[in-house]
Amino acid sequence: AQSVTQLDSQVPVFEEAPVELRCNYSSSVSVYLFWYVQYPNQGLQLLLKYLSGSTLVKGINGFEAEFNKSQTSFHLRKPSVHISDTAEYFCAVRNAGGTSYGKLTFGQGTILTVHP
Amino acid sequence: NAGVTQTPKFRILKIGQSMTLQCAQDMNHNYMYWYRQDPGMGLKLIYYSVGAGITDKGEVPNGYNVSRSTTEDFPLRLELAAPSQTSVYFCASSQRGGRETQYFGPGTRLLVL
Repeated sequence: AQSVTQLDSQVPVFEEAPVELRCNYSSSVSVYLFWYVQYPNQGLQLLLKYLSGSTLVKGINGFEAEFNKSQTSFHLRKPSVHISDTAEYFCAVRNAGGTSYGKLTFGQGTILTVHP
Repeated sequence: NAGVTQTPKFRILKIGQSMTLQCAQDMNHNYMYWYRQDPGMGLKLIYYSVGAGITDKGEVPNGYNVSRSTTEDFPLRLELAAPSQTSVYFCASSQRGGRETQYFGPGTRLLVL
């Protein structure tokens, strides 16, 4: 079984400041890792994903994440946030092999609020 | 290309009523999924389908049913609605599992009173 823990339920930050949203996972098998963003009253949109290769993954809107296998973490970062980044962010994991049928296991979500 | 569409956007049900949440995708994806989202709980998988005629249970299937008669459509049926089914429901699709990205619809907000 897999699980995902997002360590902060809410992160307030001022505009143009850096931000890190933390994600840890637990799995007995190799995994793929994803970050999704949900703007108010909308569906989820993929920010970035780690499948293999370089542990630093770049996504849309200036976000990046680093896969750390030894610490089972996949933290999301942005060097300078904008008001428009205010949203809820979800970390998710998927079994990289076997018969998982693409099922995603999600964390609880982190609400990022960017203040002017 | 509309992606994943869901209807209705919002619905209020009385306890014991039934309804069907509609989901359609126009990307010719094989895999489709239903999730529910509750505050502070992330998304939980209700049912999924790997192709027309093939469905299986996810983490929280009780109180729900699905069918997949075509590649495009994956309706979710609620029988005998209960207050515990108050939630936001998301449909998603992907070409396959594994490395493929799941694309989400805009969601259906359901309130059971």
